[in-house]
Amino acid sequence: QVQLRESGPGLVKPSQTLSLTCAVFGGSIRSDDYFWNWIRQPAGKALEWIGRLYPSGTTKYNPSFKSRVTMSLDTSKNQFSLKLISVTAADTAVYYCVREGGLFRSGSYSPAGWFDPWGLGALVTVSS
Amino acid sequence: SYVLTQPPSVSVAPGNTAVMTCGGDNIGGQTVHWYQHKPGQAPVVVIFYDTDRPSGISERFSGSKSGNTATLTISRVEGADEAAYYCQGWESRSDHVVFGGGTKLTVL
Repeated sequence: QVQLRESGPGLVKPSQTLSLTCAVFGGSIRSDDYFWNWIRQPAGKALEWIGRLYPSGTTKYNPSFKSRVTMSLDTSKNQFSLKLISVTAADTAVYYCVREGGLFRSGSYSPAGWFDPWGLGALVTVSS
Repeated sequence: SYVLTQPPSVSVAPGNTAVMTCGGDNIGGQTVHWYQHKPGQAPVVVIFYDTDRPSGISERFSGSKSGNTATLTISRVEGADEAAYYCQGWESRSDHVVFGGGTKLTVL
């Protein structure tokens, strides 16, 4: 059974860069039939999709974050990462790494649009 | 718009049926998925593609969609079902992902 675990600093200063890593256990991030996502939830607010990594390393970001976010794969460590630059207090949230399944269509897999499993989440607070 | 609206809370007595709604103007053009989230645990998908139930999820959980509303129904509610439930929409052509604000289910 695949498990995901987030790690990274819990406190980041305003204007600096938030960096998180997601370790994947029990499955390979190189599998063609899965995609790797980051989702966050500020306290008292709705969940918000940040972006997706394809097995090739290609990315798709939520336009709300596009200018500030970078996601990447590290196949040697079977993990993927999130970097969010120029953070403010509004970026304070629980950040989840999440796997997304794939649908086989026209000879290849495409994202299925739903998420399972999720990591436990990592609380990141932006404060000086 | 891609806004999904959920009632903040639903309360139900054990053994009864809990009905949680998720409304959105263009929900008919999206696939809807539901997640259960208990404190200190990772969210878990309980319904995907509007009505499908993952293996390992109780048959007491069911999903439906009609018009501008998707619905998660939990029959014969148990104390262990107490959690927050989030709907999520996905519009495949635009690859747009949106979540509802969540409904806190309280088992009386």
